[in-house]
Amino acid sequence: AQSVTQLDSHVSVSEGTPVLLRCNYSSSYSPSLFWYVQHPNKGLQLLLKYTSAATLVKGINGFEAEFKKSETSFHLTKPSAHMSDAAEYFCVVSANTGGFKTIFGAGTRLFVKA
Amino acid sequence: EPEVTQTPSHQVTQMGQEVILRCVPISNHLYFYWYRQILGQKVEFLVSFYNNEISEKSEIFDDQFSVERPDGSNFTLKIRSTKLEDSAMYFCASIWTNPYNEQFFGPGTRLTVL
Repeated sequence: AQSVTQLDSHVSVSEGTPVLLRCNYSSSYSPSLFWYVQHPNKGLQLLLKYTSAATLVKGINGFEAEFKKSETSFHLTKPSAHMSDAAEYFCVVSANTGGFKTIFGAGTRLFVKA
Repeated sequence: EPEVTQTPSHQVTQMGQEVILRCVPISNHLYFYWYRQILGQKVEFLVSFYNNEISEKSEIFDDQFSVERPDGSNFTLKIRSTKLEDSAMYFCASIWTNPYNEQFFGPGTRLTVL
């Protein structure tokens, strides 16, 4: 079985301060993990992915995430928030369960204050 | 840059009617997916498709739903008899060679059932 838990439904930060979006996962298989971003009325864009290579993954727009198997976490961080980062962020797990099933977290809405 | 396209962008239909949502995945991709996102809720996996057959489906994907790749380029989702609760944004996604890679998402079709 697989599951994804995004620990915060909303996160609010000031522009220029660090961002932390938390994600815990559960999988009976060796998962691939992703973070996607969705801006209002837009589709889903990949930020970064972990597929069993380096545990610290760098993505686009200054985002990075660290895969911690012992903590079953894949938290997303950015050192300095920008107004354009305001969006919905989804943590996603995918694994070979016999077929290929992808589970999305519930999402975290990031607000960035000026 | 190649991208996944979906048509129509918005479909309005009467309850009980059949709808077909169309997707054109990136041309050399091999794995295809449908998801739905009810307004304000999380993205939910519906079905994955590989080698001209369904490889995995969720509990949501009941007998009212079907998928097809009729001509080697289009990938369609059919809902036979729409219900009010089928109103959602439907996203198509595709992956290149390895299902552990990132999915490329289309912009979505907003389905409204009246």
